[in-house]
Amino acid sequence: GAGVSQSPSNKVTEKGKDVELRCDPISGHTALYWYRQSLGQGLEFLIYFQGNSAPDKSGLPSDRFSAERTGGSVSTLTIQRTQQEDSAVYLCASSPGRAREQYFGPGTRLTVT
Amino acid sequence: QKEVEQDPGPLSVPEGAIVSLNCTYSNSAFQYFMWYRQYSRKGPELLMYTYSSGNKEDGRFTAQVDKSSKYISLFIRDSQPSDSATYLCATTLNAGGTSYGKLTFGQGTILTVHP
Repeated sequence: GAGVSQSPSNKVTEKGKDVELRCDPISGHTALYWYRQSLGQGLEFLIYFQGNSAPDKSGLPSDRFSAERTGGSVSTLTIQRTQQEDSAVYLCASSPGRAREQYFGPGTRLTVT
Repeated sequence: QKEVEQDPGPLSVPEGAIVSLNCTYSNSAFQYFMWYRQYSRKGPELLMYTYSSGNKEDGRFTAQVDKSSKYISLFIRDSQPSDSATYLCATTLNAGGTSYGKLTFGQGTILTVHP
């Protein structure tokens, strides 16, 4: 079946601009996660959605980062006023439930110039 | 100190060798353990998912968990050049713990299997 998809695959933006990254999870998966992968920092948790519960935003690095999940399916990660340190690969994962195996998408490579 | 420690390598082995990849963790509340394989410029691919201490085998891959020493391992038998990738260990809390579900990753070990 279809896996997790993300778009765009690559995004180059100028410092100060806003960007939106999209994630389509595996159909039927109730949990959705965003992670960030950068050199030197490895893979870091950003935010987590589970069903209709309030999201766990504990990993968001600043208030410039936000995410929403519409209809329990598609999710959008928004970064406002991008900075060069935001350059990284942003990975989305979905899971059939909490503390269950997570399946990752291919990621969006963000470059802030 | 990171919650999950993993030797970044790089590790280079000849084709056919047995590969041992290891991680240690510090939080005894971690209960679920996963190994991911990540090829260059791709997303992580789930290889193994375990809950309890002991061994779990899937083809050429064996995952081992020792909760008493907070040590997890992945063994690859008869390694192939196509196994060349970065291997990431990951763990998460048991159900009922705060923020359970989010994965905490090791730094990843870069493996090269040469023909």
